[in-house]
Amino acid sequence: EAQVTQNPRYLITVTGKKLTVTCSQNMNHEYMSWYRQDPGLGLRQIYYSMNVEVTDKGDVPEGYKVSRKEKRNFPLILESPSPNQTSLYFCASSLYRTHSPLHFGNGTRLTVT
Amino acid sequence: GENVEQHPSTLSVQEGDSAVIKCTYSDSASNYFPWYKQELGKGPQLIIDIRSNVGEKKDQRIAVTLNKTAKHFSLHITETQPEDSAVYFCAASTVDSSYKLIFGSGTRLLVRP
Repeated sequence: EAQVTQNPRYLITVTGKKLTVTCSQNMNHEYMSWYRQDPGLGLRQIYYSMNVEVTDKGDVPEGYKVSRKEKRNFPLILESPSPNQTSLYFCASSLYRTHSPLHFGNGTRLTVT
Repeated sequence: GENVEQHPSTLSVQEGDSAVIKCTYSDSASNYFPWYKQELGKGPQLIIDIRSNVGEKKDQRIAVTLNKTAKHFSLHITETQPEDSAVYFCAASTVDSSYKLIFGSGTRLLVRP
């Protein structure tokens, strides 16, 4: 089944403790991105990647890192999480960079205390 | 940069009635406008999209209209059913090299049986 898989689904952590949210897609998509969803703000892009070893900042990149060493994987790294990073996170992928449907994972709900 | 406003934030309709969700965008150069449906506990899923060279597109009970002059586009759902209850997001693409989708803030649609 074609899908984007994120793990974990739920994560509770404390301020400053490094964490990684994994994302993997099995559709051989070139383009991958991370979004955060907050009430009243919709989905905002954190980082995106157009291909292996090619990543760039989205609209809200502060406090996050990503890497794209393999085409299928695009982990999101929070080196020192803070409470304002409490949010619902989505990984997404698409076949092409432009005008191509985004396929989203089922989300990771992160709480930072 | 591009900005997308979406209204209403919540919408309650009786089963069988129509629902309309409206979005406006700021960048007249934007040329791709998808709509996503997010069910509880899941990631958003593309339901319909429209490109700027088309004024209307239909797919069974859903349709999207685009008015480039006024810079607004709308989602129309006819003969609503309880399974249409979800959060709907509109989006507009940037036309720079980043290919970002800028999302609206979302509309929570409730279809009352």
